[in-house]
Amino acid sequence: DTAVSQTPKYLVTQMGNDKSIKCEQNLGHDTMYWYKQDSKKFLKIMFSYNNKELIINETVPNRFSPKSPDKAHLNLHINSLELGDSAVYFCASSQEDRGTAGELFFGEGSRLTVL
Amino acid sequence: AQSVTQLDSQVPVFEEAPVELRCNYSSSVSVYLFWYVQYPNQGLQLLLKYLSGSTLVESINGFEAEFNKSQTSFHLRKPSVHISDTAEYFCAVRMNSGYSTLTFGKGTMLLVSP
Repeated sequence: DTAVSQTPKYLVTQMGNDKSIKCEQNLGHDTMYWYKQDSKKFLKIMFSYNNKELIINETVPNRFSPKSPDKAHLNLHINSLELGDSAVYFCASSQEDRGTAGELFFGEGSRLTVL
Repeated sequence: AQSVTQLDSQVPVFEEAPVELRCNYSSSVSVYLFWYVQYPNQGLQLLLKYLSGSTLVESINGFEAEFNKSQTSFHLRKPSVHISDTAEYFCAVRMNSGYSTLTFGKGTMLLVSP
């Protein structure tokens, strides 16, 4: 069973379109995240949700809107896509306890290409 | 706030040679430290972590890292690398109290050639 799964794995779309990426975790974790990895492999946190509540919202354009229907799911919707949105988007989850120290479990990534 | 510096963006090495990937961090409070590995076209996987106790931590595939508080470093080493170790390696840090997220370094690409 995949612990953190994202769909779709690849997404190619035109500028101006709206698209969504879905994420589900079956680890029973309380916290979920979205990270963006650019072409230079730099990882930047975008959002963090704890028990369906938004905890972190980094400086991300309003075109990006996360939605967490329950603590096992965190979806990312992007409006009016721009060329600069092309990247790999990673979903991750974690559980706060002394044993794991909030270790992150990552999905396989969703590669978004905006043409 | 905390930050992580990985000085080497790329480390080329021959198979069976030793390797060290450097990581330095900055934080005003005590931290947890992690190394993650990303194989081509895959997500990140935890390689090893330092929480407390022994400053030398090991992974199941032969990597080790040593926490050095005085030098604020957490360098990753392996005595003999394989072709299959070719990947991007990320050092990460987070505060060990309160709520904080993981801060990643910019990554080091380990390139192992025959």
